[in-house]
Amino acid sequence: DAGITQSPRHKVTETGTPVTLRCHQTENHRYMYWYRQDPGHGLRLIHYSYGVKDTDKGEVSDGYSVSRSKTEDFLLTLESATSSQTSVYFCASRTSDKNTGELFFGEGSRLTVL
Amino acid sequence: RKEVEQDPGPFNVPEGATVAFNCTYSNSASQSFFWYRQDCRKEPKLLMSVYSSGNEDGRFTAQLNRASQYISLLIRDSKLSDSATYLCVVRSRGSSNTGKLIFGQGTTLQVKP
Repeated sequence: DAGITQSPRHKVTETGTPVTLRCHQTENHRYMYWYRQDPGHGLRLIHYSYGVKDTDKGEVSDGYSVSRSKTEDFLLTLESATSSQTSVYFCASRTSDKNTGELFFGEGSRLTVL
Repeated sequence: RKEVEQDPGPFNVPEGATVAFNCTYSNSASQSFFWYRQDCRKEPKLLMSVYSSGNEDGRFTAQLNRASQYISLLIRDSKLSDSATYLCVVRSRGSSNTGKLIFGQGTTLQVKP
């Protein structure tokens, strides 16, 4: 399995506080992604990155920002957490091979916003 | 309308049964198609890619129908260990030519003894 880790794995926070989730991969993958997973919605793309300092929005980007200052790290920030952002967040990465769809996922970060 | 749609199920089948899942996609420019498997409270993992001519991997067969914009997954001789959620994934050309991967909400399979 690809080396991709997320931190923290669990977090409980209060509405209005900032939260940063970290994703770290050791595979030198060019592309990295943040998804959230909720019952009835499946996995929804928040933001993705196609290189250092190159990011783009996904389908549910409002309220989230990302940064990628190094190939191995992709940070997801909730500037002011809301209860609707309670979810399980998955980070993923893949190679630059355009023929592959294989995403390697981290184990997920469970965020609860009270 | 969601870009990728699946029947969430659950599909409850006995061991040894054959079961099929369908998935429809709305973007006719979609390029690539995949099935992922996700076990309860775990991360998704690639099960198989879906090729235009259809492809098989052991008990699993995937097919693509571009004209009708759907893909399917057939599981033969179901095992208890096949119990999981199966996610349909479609790759479309992103605004930065990156190929965004869009997931369906998943179909849950429960195989009973």
